[in-house]
Amino acid sequence: NAGVTQTPKFRVLKTGQSMTLLCAQDMNHEYMYWYRQDPGMGLRLIHYSVGEGTTAKGEVPDGYNVSRLKKQNFLLGLESAAPSQTSVYFCASSYGAGGPPADTQYFGPGTRLTVL
Amino acid sequence: AQSVTQLGSHVSVSEGALVLLRCNYSSSVPPYLFWYVQYPNQGLQLLLKYTSAATLVKGINGFEAEFKKSETSFHLTKPSAHMSDAAEYFCAVSKPGANSKLTFGKGITLSVRP
Repeated sequence: NAGVTQTPKFRVLKTGQSMTLLCAQDMNHEYMYWYRQDPGMGLRLIHYSVGEGTTAKGEVPDGYNVSRLKKQNFLLGLESAAPSQTSVYFCASSYGAGGPPADTQYFGPGTRLTVL
Repeated sequence: AQSVTQLGSHVSVSEGALVLLRCNYSSSVPPYLFWYVQYPNQGLQLLLKYTSAATLVKGINGFEAEFKKSETSFHLTKPSAHMSDAAEYFCAVSKPGANSKLTFGKGITLSVRP
């Protein structure tokens, strides 16, 4: 049981390049989330999904797109990377509706992205 | 809207000393509250959570937190710090119900001196 995994672990991009971050979970969770973590800012929600085929905007969605074609995968895309998107990106998943109260989110190990 | 305030960015304690990390929340409805820990170069891991049952919540690694509605607080404590407790700690709040999202505080770094 691997939990939540993220690919890649590190990436360096030039301004204007595009890339996709992959998140996979093997816990059969309904809900999945993408966060970014910046020093002194805590974690901020970018986009989330409440089930296969669904996506919704979080607190800081601009410049990012997501897709949830399969229940176990949640992809985060940067179409035209900017230096302001330099950050550590975390994926998380949870049971969602029908799960336990105060649903725990399980986090992946993170992707460190630098945009030059 | 809900929010969490973690005052200060860094706390330093000696090994064996009491750990106290403060968290105050703002929520229009009775909240669920969480403490997560992040060890260096790792993802976040749940320490404990409050779900409107017992106000004193015990978590992993000897940590506990007490929900105080009158003070809108959910401070994290541990009686005796270990070197292995050095990490970043995040308080988070959510509203009960489906599709409820977590709102995180800015985090606080705990250092433990030998």
